[in-house]
Amino acid sequence: AQSVSQHNHHVILSEAASLELGCNYSYGGTVNLFWYVQYPGQHLQLLLKYFSGDPLVKGIKGFEAEFIKSKFSFNLRKPSVQWSDTAEYFCAVNAWSNTGKLIFGQGTTLQVKP
Amino acid sequence: DAGVTQSPTHLIKTRGQQVTLRCSPKSGHDTVSWYQQALGQGPQFIFQYYEEEERQRGNFPDRFSGHQFPNYSSELNVNALLLGDSALYLCASSLGTGGYNEQFFGPGTRLTVL
Repeated sequence: AQSVSQHNHHVILSEAASLELGCNYSYGGTVNLFWYVQYPGQHLQLLLKYFSGDPLVKGIKGFEAEFIKSKFSFNLRKPSVQWSDTAEYFCAVNAWSNTGKLIFGQGTTLQVKP
Repeated sequence: DAGVTQSPTHLIKTRGQQVTLRCSPKSGHDTVSWYQQALGQGPQFIFQYYEEEERQRGNFPDRFSGHQFPNYSSELNVNALLLGDSALYLCASSLGTGGYNEQFFGPGTRLTVL
């Protein structure tokens, strides 16, 4: 069965530190890849997405992610985090382009200390 | 422009009861997907509705059923509630069923089964 694995469950960083959150998926075919973010008290919202083309994609708020097909990975990065980046981050995969079914990882809680 | 709305926000039921959760999609969207998010886990796909029909289903028993109305709003019904059904139930809407169509999530309904 298809699955998504996020290696870091809880990450604590100081402001201005660099961030990298790991995401690996298991599926041999073509995939669409997403990172969602959930800020405290808010609903899930899309951070960035990859469908095809340039494997380095940029999203909102300075986030970017790199798709490495050979490693089945889609890691999220930000060069310098802010206190306002404190949130839960979810990696998600869509393995069937004709449907919107998303398979989510279990999430990473990021805490940024001011 | 109203986003995805869900009602109620919280619900407490006892084992064996039945529950109905409601979702209104974002204006202009015609597809609704439902997800279950257990505590500490990522959302899990339940099913997707389009043109008032269930288009795809995740690994959930028949106790979970749904409906989509002509105005695109949707209901999720769960029969014979179990303690394990306690979770946050998320509704997501999109324009079209494909994986390329961004899904917008609602705030969720928190269901507690006692």
